[in-house]
Amino acid sequence: SAVISQKPSRDICQRGTSLTIQCQVDSQVTMMFWYRQQPGQSLTLIATANQGSEATYESGFVIDKFPISRPNLTFSTLTVSNMSPEDSSIYLCSVEWLAGGLFFGEGSRLTVL
Amino acid sequence: GDSVTQMEGPVTLSEEAFLTINCTYTATGYPSLFWYVQYPGEGLQLLLKATKADDKGSNKGFEATYRKETTSFHLEKGSVQVSDSAVYFCAILGNSGNTPLVFGKGTRLSVIA
Repeated sequence: SAVISQKPSRDICQRGTSLTIQCQVDSQVTMMFWYRQQPGQSLTLIATANQGSEATYESGFVIDKFPISRPNLTFSTLTVSNMSPEDSSIYLCSVEWLAGGLFFGEGSRLTVL
Repeated sequence: GDSVTQMEGPVTLSEEAFLTINCTYTATGYPSLFWYVQYPGEGLQLLLKATKADDKGSNKGFEATYRKETTSFHLEKGSVQVSDSAVYFCAILGNSGNTPLVFGKGTRLSVIA
């Protein structure tokens, strides 16, 4: 199994600011995924982050709004830029493990005022 | 708290076989129920969902019926294809606005020609 640490676990942010969420995995993994869960909604994949290449974004998500870094095989960051109240969500980091399991971090709950 | 128990894999089937992946849940009230699928090398995708008792979710030939009396949401497909090979996750979403999605551990399905 994989242990995933995300921080911050929660934050309250002002409109127009940016926040970077960090995701640390206790083992090397090839693929890391970033998801968003808006209040009362199911998960939506934002992007896939592979080490050594640019992240691949899903429809409706762009790099300028959600820049992602993947400097090595155990770490990634997601930045939510120029935030608005509509960005209030839980943001989750996820990795795929060898046996096919999918592990999620505990999530970062963002509230934008 | 809410929890999901999902049939353990891996499951290996021949093409055109019938598929059932069992999923039962524990939750208070009336959660929404989901099946997600993760194809090799890709992120998680929503496959189908049901939001109230006796609802049937369906997509791509897969079906699942929300059974309140048995707290189950079993995934079925009448005739699987090689392209259905993936990991399938059952998930529940509580009916409080800020609850996170709770996932089962996933079931790997391999379909052989």
